[in-house]
Amino acid sequence: GAVVSQHPSRVICKSGTSVKIECRSLDFQATTMFWYRQFPKKSLMLMATSNEGSKATYEQGVEKDKFLINHASLTLSTLTVTSAHPEDSSFYICSASLAKTSTDTQYFGPGTRLTVL
Amino acid sequence: AQSVTQLDSHVSVSEGTPVLLRCNYSSSYSPSLFWYVQHPNKGLQLLLKYTSAATLVKGINGFEAEFKKSETSFHLTKPSAHMSDAAEYFCVVSVWAGNTPLVFGKGTRLSVIA
Repeated sequence: GAVVSQHPSRVICKSGTSVKIECRSLDFQATTMFWYRQFPKKSLMLMATSNEGSKATYEQGVEKDKFLINHASLTLSTLTVTSAHPEDSSFYICSASLAKTSTDTQYFGPGTRLTVL
Repeated sequence: AQSVTQLDSHVSVSEGTPVLLRCNYSSSYSPSLFWYVQHPNKGLQLLLKYTSAATLVKGINGFEAEFKKSETSFHLTKPSAHMSDAAEYFCVVSVWAGNTPLVFGKGTRLSVIA
């Protein structure tokens, strides 16, 4: 089956630093990738939709200058949390889609837990 | 717009008894519906999906769900709960499963008592 990986799985950083999270589709090409954020004991909140070679589409309330998304290839999207603060601590999850048909499933990465001290 | 409501935030069952996790959806178009499971500190795993084919969908680990358009429901069931089923379950709706964002319910935490 389609596999999506995320790296790192866990990261701890100091306040004010930037952190980059990678999302890779390992055995398929993903035209679209999505970035979600999950707060403790809460549901997933869509942050942005990322299409290869174009600017990401951010959801309302998500700061595009703080959460930089790059989708450089059909197998890689990155999320950079710039000038991280403790309130950015969260579980970040990406998903990727084959999107050849309307019934194609989105496949989720295992998530990255970010802790900002 | 699409939305999904999971009617129970927490369900507790005894091992070996049936599981029912309830989900109602709202969609302006024919929806695709999914159930995902998330074990503690783990990523999301697809249990099953409905994409306008058979209304009774069978998934992994003995789970199944029935799409009922008249009731706008997509409840998840399993005949006999196992301890390993304890996890968070998310009902998800999308107009198009591929290139549109998924809309998640708030989740139902399933506890299984020995």
